[in-house]
Amino acid sequence: NAGVTQTPKFRVLKTGQSMTLLCAQDMNHEYMYWYRQDPGMGLRLIHYSVGEGTTAKGEVPDGYNVSRLKKQNFLLGLESAAPSQTSVYFCASSYSSSGRAGLIEQFFGPGTRLTVL
Amino acid sequence: GENVEQHPSTLSVQEGDSAVIKCTYSDSASNYFPWYKQELGKRPQLIIDIRSNVGEKKDQRIAVTLNKTAKHFSLHITETQPEDSAVYFCAASRRGSTLGRLYFGRGTQLTVWP
Repeated sequence: NAGVTQTPKFRVLKTGQSMTLLCAQDMNHEYMYWYRQDPGMGLRLIHYSVGEGTTAKGEVPDGYNVSRLKKQNFLLGLESAAPSQTSVYFCASSYSSSGRAGLIEQFFGPGTRLTVL
Repeated sequence: GENVEQHPSTLSVQEGDSAVIKCTYSDSASNYFPWYKQELGKRPQLIIDIRSNVGEKKDQRIAVTLNKTAKHFSLHITETQPEDSAVYFCAASRRGSTLGRLYFGRGTQLTVWP
């Protein structure tokens, strides 16, 4: 049971380049999330998904797109990277909060450190 | 939406002392308040949580208290040890809603000096 995994662990991009971050979970969780973590700013939600084929915007969605074609995978895309997107990106997953007696602990992946030059 | 504020942003204590981190929330409908610990270079992990029908919860050296009327909750760590050094995040959510979204505070960097 690998839990939540993220690919890649590190990446350096030039301004204007595109890339996709992959998140995978093997816990059969319904919900998945993408956060970015910047010094002093905590964890800010970019996009999230409450099920296969559905996505929604979080707190800081601009410049990012997501897709959830399979329940176990959640992809985060940067179409045209900017230096302001330099950050550590965390994916997380959880059960539905309406089930399992409210067990909505979020399980985080190891993170992807992205630098945009 | 919910707004969670966390204080202090940094906290230094001597080994063996207690540490307290405080959070306030704005949405009176929030009813679930977890705390996550993130060690340097690692992922955040849940350490304790409290639900709005409970005023206090303890787990060994850590405890969380909740004041629904004042809309604030706190993390208490007693007999601190160097391995408690980490960033701690509080969060708030509506358990039972269809969203399951957590609203995080900005974090507290706790340093425990030996």
